[in-house]
Amino acid sequence: QLHLQESGPGLVKPSETLSLTCTVSGDSITTSDYYWGWIRQPPGKGLEWIGSIYYSGNTYYNPSLMSRVTMSVDTSKSQFSLKLSSVTAADTAMYYCGRLSFRSNGPGGQCDYWGQGTVVTVSS
Amino acid sequence: QLVLTQSPSASASLGASVKLTCTLSSGHSHYAIAWHQQQPEKGPRYLMKLNNDGSHNKGDGIPDRFSGSSSGADRYLTISSLQSEDEADYYCQTWGIDTQVFGGGTKLTVL
Repeated sequence: QLHLQESGPGLVKPSETLSLTCTVSGDSITTSDYYWGWIRQPPGKGLEWIGSIYYSGNTYYNPSLMSRVTMSVDTSKSQFSLKLSSVTAADTAMYYCGRLSFRSNGPGGQCDYWGQGTVVTVSS
Repeated sequence: QLVLTQSPSASASLGASVKLTCTLSSGHSHYAIAWHQQQPEKGPRYLMKLNNDGSHNKGDGIPDRFSGSSSGADRYLTISSLQSEDEADYYCQTWGIDTQVFGGGTKLTVL
């Protein structure tokens, strides 16, 4: 059974960098069948795709966040990570990692497994 | 621009059926989507991938009460024999050449 677990600081100061890690267990992160993604949900609002990464390191980012987002993958640890720089209060959200079906020409398809999420608050 | 439109709310009675709609933007009516359920205070749960021909593949353990269908740019999620635990937010998701998009979600109330 696939399991994804987000981890990272729950509180980040404005203008600093948010860093989160997703640990994958129950399946190989190097499978060619999937992308791995980050999705967030501000309090009381809907879901927003942040970006997707393939085990090779190929990435796609949401254009609205692209200038501040960096994703990476560590296959030896079965982890992928998110860095979001210059955060503001608008970045306060629940952050989810997920598994996305592979597509040869895009950032993955349906998200068929979700982590439980981790809350990140941006505040001084 | 790839956009998904959902009604903000819906309601139906316990034991009844309800049909939720997700509409693809103009020019994208052939796209597949996915449906996700988010129960109160929980993370999203994948329900199914729904193709433009109405064929669908459900996630692990999703009951037969959940089904999908398509008509033109509209993608539907039908829940039959409504149970109290079906009260949740339902999101649709789709994907393009370089983007992923979520609909705004529909809050389903079971009366």
